Amino acid sequence: GDQVEQSPSALSLHEGTGSALRCNFTTTMRAVQWFQQNSRGSLINLFYLASGTKENGRLKSTFNSKESYSTLHIRDAQLEDSGTYFCAAEAGDSNYQLIWGSGTKLIIKP
Amino acid sequence: AQTIHQWPVAEIKAVGSPLSLGCTIKGKSSPNLYWYWQATGGTLQQLFYSITVGQVESVVQLNLSASRPKDDQFILSTEKLLLSHSGFYLCAWGQGDTQYFGPGTRLLVL
Repeated sequence: GDQVEQSPSALSLHEGTGSALRCNFTTTMRAVQWFQQNSRGSLINLFYLASGTKENGRLKSTFNSKESYSTLHIRDAQLEDSGTYFCAAEAGDSNYQLIWGSGTKLIIKP
Repeated sequence: AQTIHQWPVAEIKAVGSPLSLGCTIKGKSSPNLYWYWQATGGTLQQLFYSITVGQVESVVQLNLSASRPKDDQFILSTEKLLLSHSGFYLCAWGQGDTQYFGPGTRLLVL
């Protein structure tokens, strides 16, 4: 079965508001990465976490390996935040494989 | 700074025809290299990875093959395209932790 469950699948926010995306893992993961895919298809690295919390501007991400989840918080959303967000996790038994979530399509409205 | 280049940018090919997609990384020696496939509106599926010249490991083959003829080059190919090969192909490099993606190649098989 799916090892990475990402939610929500789609999200619409007004500019200036915020929300959280979540990935639940059904197996032990060593680390998680978050990416934003823009309209051209380019994947932009947002965060890499082996544990704990990282913050970058209006984005904050947490990885709790014991409770098997990761979150990505967006605050004060801007139009350029629109895109599809993916989490991708490294399973404990492989250094070279990422297991990807199904993505969250985020639309920011003026 | 590292740069990753993929070619071609886009292709329209006939079912049964051959395919070769390329990826080069500049500014990084001995990177781990990865090929991904993404269906329209879907998540990423890792296809192959390579940690050294001449060595390629398959994750999911999808009737494709990969080769690493040089330290900075990764090639994805098939002799006979299927309709199901349509999609977006992404090359990535990584060393240690996170992966960095190229701009991708869009493939339409008719």
